[in-house]
Amino acid sequence: DIQLTQSPSFLSASVGDRVTITCRASQGISGYLAWYQQKPGKAPNLLIYVASTLQSGVPSRFSGSGSGTEFTLTISSLQPEDFATYYCQQLNSFPLTFGGGTKVEIK
Amino acid sequence: EVQVLESGGGLVQPGGSLRLSCAASGFTFHNYGMTWVRQAPGKGLEWVSAISASAENTHYADSVEGRFTISRDNSKNTLFLQMNSLRAEDTAVYYCAKLSYYSGRRDAFDLWGQGTMVSVSS
Repeated sequence: DIQLTQSPSFLSASVGDRVTITCRASQGISGYLAWYQQKPGKAPNLLIYVASTLQSGVPSRFSGSGSGTEFTLTISSLQPEDFATYYCQQLNSFPLTFGGGTKVEIK
Repeated sequence: EVQVLESGGGLVQPGGSLRLSCAASGFTFHNYGMTWVRQAPGKGLEWVSAISASAENTHYADSVEGRFTISRDNSKNTLFLQMNSLRAEDTAVYYCAKLSYYSGRRDAFDLWGQGTMVSVSS
């Protein structure tokens, strides 16, 4: 099974900050990595797929990059509505797996 | 409106069974693979099971293999998850989600339901 390790697991930041979250896979996943945002009590929302493609309707301050086993999600200028938990997910092979999550809180 | 809506959650005793349903609307259901994801209270997301568009192929997480069965009725635009031999550790919100194929193969879960709570306790 492919393990995904997200770091950090918790992040405290201010509005306007640039934020980067890392997701490392235990083996190569051919770029089939997605990022989701989840707010308390809500379902996850797709942000990025195939590592770097922005889902329709998602603000351009979100971006994804990476290949092989190391991937990043960047928020260029953190907005109040971005305080949430973020998860990476690999869809290269079954069982599909999620990272442990990164909670972004207000400093 | 494009949506998926789960139902069927509730409180069940350990060893019991429950069947979840997910009603889809606003998209061509029989063209898409579907999946179940769960989230235990205060925990992260855990993928549970997936089924191909035609129901030819099914996949399960090790934690539910042999106890849960995923199925679908394309004539009724509905996804199911039959859960047997339930354990306390199955307690979670269960989400159904639609698979996307923007890149030509499965590449994300692009539509999620609001979730249904399953509690396993005596």
